Amino acid sequence: QKEVEQDPGPLSVPEGAIVSLNCTYSNSAFQYFMWYRQYSRKGPELLMYTYSSGNKEDGRFTAQVDKSSKYISLFIRDSQPSDSATYLCATSGAIQGAQKLVFGQGTRLTINP
Amino acid sequence: EPEVTQTPSHQVTQMGQEVILRCVPISNHLYFYWYRQILGQKVEFLVSFYNNEISEKSEIFDDQFSVERPDGSNFTLKIRSTKLEDSAMYFCASSVGGPFYGYTFGSGTRLTVV
Repeated sequence: QKEVEQDPGPLSVPEGAIVSLNCTYSNSAFQYFMWYRQYSRKGPELLMYTYSSGNKEDGRFTAQVDKSSKYISLFIRDSQPSDSATYLCATSGAIQGAQKLVFGQGTRLTINP
Repeated sequence: EPEVTQTPSHQVTQMGQEVILRCVPISNHLYFYWYRQILGQKVEFLVSFYNNEISEKSEIFDDQFSVERPDGSNFTLKIRSTKLEDSAMYFCASSVGGPFYGYTFGSGTRLTVV
């Protein structure tokens, strides 16, 4: 079983729609959860992080973690064409130190004007 | 805003040749990483580096790979004898204290082995 699974899409939605992006993970040792955004031919850019079950909101973005079902979600409200990118979920076993990140496949998202 | 700088942006090399990928992490960061992304695949961890030594390495990071921080600012990844399957985007990242503080990734070096 893959450590982090993410539907690669592609996902295409109209501007203004609510977008839901999801990942599942298999290892209970993962304690720290992140969403990265990656534009074409660029490095991943950290969007949000959380280390507990529940919701965390930042502007139009909400990250949700359900540790009981090992499920991670990112919601984008009022989506904009500039949100078009690949979204990567990532997990880590600890908050501090030289901890590696384990990434999902990434979901390619297109917001159509 | 501080950036992680990677050079070159694109490198083409012949199979069997040695390549060195260079990175300048953010100056006050303490943890350094290399990841790679084969076209259409996941971003994969290669190696982490802290206090002038490797903290962790993946199965991919075999004897053909090495890392160095030669002068306190640069962080390099060397591949001694490149293979076709080493063709990928290589990302350098740095962090001031681990995941809680966020990782900053560079824009990557696209390595093409022919």
